[in-house]
Amino acid sequence: GENVEQHPSTLSVQEGDSAVIKCTYSDSASNYFPWYKQELGKRPQLIIDIRSNVGEKKDQRIAVTLNKTAKHFSLHITETQPEDSAVYFCAASEDSNYQLIWGAGTKLIIKP
Amino acid sequence: SQTIHQWPATLVQPVGSPLSLECTVEGTSNPNLYWYRQAAGRGLQLLFYSVGIGQISSEVPQNLSASRPQDRQFILSSKKLLLSDSGFYLCACYTSVDSEQFFGPGTRLTVL
Repeated sequence: GENVEQHPSTLSVQEGDSAVIKCTYSDSASNYFPWYKQELGKRPQLIIDIRSNVGEKKDQRIAVTLNKTAKHFSLHITETQPEDSAVYFCAASEDSNYQLIWGAGTKLIIKP
Repeated sequence: SQTIHQWPATLVQPVGSPLSLECTVEGTSNPNLYWYRQAAGRGLQLLFYSVGIGQISSEVPQNLSASRPQDRQFILSSKKLLLSDSGFYLCACYTSVDSEQFFGPGTRLTVL
């Protein structure tokens, strides 16, 4: 079955710098890759997702890149702000309708 | 768009007591529904998912069970809680309209 690995487990960056979180997956049939942000004590919320027919997707300061050959995808946050501090989860699925296989999460800390 | 209700928001239960957590969805029909558990500081563990009334798939063998008596109602139960059942229980919904897994507000369960 699918396995998703996420690195790093904790990432500390200076406010204004960029942050990159990486995930690798094992099942070549996976074609949907969402990223969720979870603030302390709250529910995870989808921030961006990408499907296998594109290599990159951007939404303001957030971007996701996908390398299907290498089976990895990354979340990029530019110009980080204090409100970006949260735990970020990647996931993979054959389709968003199916089960999502989750990474273990990355705690992002933005230092003022 | 859909709305997910979960109750109660918090719950403190003694070891060996029963459990019933309820999740209801508004604003959509025939959704896929999911129960996740998140231990403190950890990732998301899929417990059950359902593609329709009376259809439940279990991902992790344990002392929990789930039922879907109505299209937009998903219930998580236990006959006897264990200390290890403590955690943040999240109900999620997939709809083809929004094409994402959307999470409810969660129930924080503490077993003493």
